[in-house]
Amino acid sequence: GDSVTQMEGPVTLSEEAFLTINCTYTATGYPSLFWYVQYPGEGLQLLLKATKADDKGSNKGFEATYRKETTSFHLEKGSVQVSDSAVYFCALSRLAGKSTFGDGTTLTVKP
Amino acid sequence: DVKVTQSSRYLVKRTGEKVFLECVQDMDHENMFWYRQDPGLGLRLIYFSYDVKMKEKGDIPEGYSVSREKKERFSLILESASTNQTSMYLCASSWGGGYTFGSGTRLTVV
Repeated sequence: GDSVTQMEGPVTLSEEAFLTINCTYTATGYPSLFWYVQYPGEGLQLLLKATKADDKGSNKGFEATYRKETTSFHLEKGSVQVSDSAVYFCALSRLAGKSTFGDGTTLTVKP
Repeated sequence: DVKVTQSSRYLVKRTGEKVFLECVQDMDHENMFWYRQDPGLGLRLIYFSYDVKMKEKGDIPEGYSVSREKKERFSLILESASTNQTSMYLCASSWGGGYTFGSGTRLTVV
């Protein structure tokens, strides 16, 4: 079946550091890929998405590229801020709508 | 923007009570989902629905049931609440892959 593996956290960075959170997936065919963010005490919010190979999703300075050859969708940001502290989830989904989520990676950004 | 509204942010219920968690979406989405989120266990799918009066079991349906009488509303029911059902419950609706989540209901069963 489908699965998503995220790099284990927690991740702690200083403000303005470069961020990478690794995500790899196992799935047949061509699923859509997503990153969600969850701030403390809240539900998840869609951060960005990509629907086919080589697509790049981007939002709020975050980027991720759908790499079919390496089955990866790594999240990157060039300069993190304290307000980026949150839990980040990688996910895949098919046309049927049901998603498979990674376990989440907690990011803490220190001033 | 699509909104998914969960009726309560915090709930405290007693063991054995029947508990209703309500979720309403305002964008005519066909797909709706209930997850629970626990530390170290990630998101686990309880039930989902692709249409009115239709439901499918997720990965952990035991102790739960659902109701979808109208397209916009998807209710999660704990038939007889137990302390191991203390958790954060997240409702979501889907528009062809990506989810819109509600803010969550933190349920404590005492």
